[in-house]
Amino acid sequence: ETGVTQTPRHLVMGMTNKKSLKCEQHLGHNAMYWYKQSAKKPLELMFVYSLEERVENNSVPSRFSPECPNSSHLFLHLHTLQPEDSALYLCASSQDQYGLYEQYFGPGTRLTVT
Amino acid sequence: KQEVTQIPAALSVPEGENLVLNCSFTDSAIYNLQWFRQDPGKGLTSLLLIQSSQREQTSGRLNASLDKSSGRSTLYIAASQPGDSATYLCAVRPLTQGGSEKLVFGKGTKLTVNP
Repeated sequence: ETGVTQTPRHLVMGMTNKKSLKCEQHLGHNAMYWYKQSAKKPLELMFVYSLEERVENNSVPSRFSPECPNSSHLFLHLHTLQPEDSALYLCASSQDQYGLYEQYFGPGTRLTVT
Repeated sequence: KQEVTQIPAALSVPEGENLVLNCSFTDSAIYNLQWFRQDPGKGLTSLLLIQSSQREQTSGRLNASLDKSSGRSTLYIAASQPGDSATYLCAVRPLTQGGSEKLVFGKGTKLTVNP
């Protein structure tokens, strides 16, 4: 078990729905990340949070809205998504945001937008 | 712009064989390089992290090397087992100003070890 959990594991939503993905880390880390993994494409960084402050937004459309209420929890709020947003969404954490330490990943949420 | 390439995209070997996975990156200005394993439909598991000042790291049957000047890393798996079947991802942490971490990933090598 990696110490990073994600819920739900699978999600099917229509383009007009609003849903949220949840990530929780039990490792005492200070930095948390959202990644998108689409078929046949490299993993893409979406957002980085350090000590609950967003430090990077990698040109992600506004239909994805992150929230980090504390250093252990990270949410990704979804609304009016498009079919091309269907992907595996991965959460990760690390001790800091500076790349000194390994990133630990959750199992991911498989999202299908219909 | 940093780009990471992994060759081959897929590899199938018989059980017990020693094998090498390759990773190359276009910009040698990196902070570190990390190898991950991903099982189908699941998250990533960190295998080895090599800092830019290091040449290699070992963990059990795994050995990762780093040649920063040539932009290459290899992951050596000794005595492969069916349980090693997974996609192996390489990621580099470029040297950047500002300090925020941004790993750049390759597309991965899908390994199948046949019993």
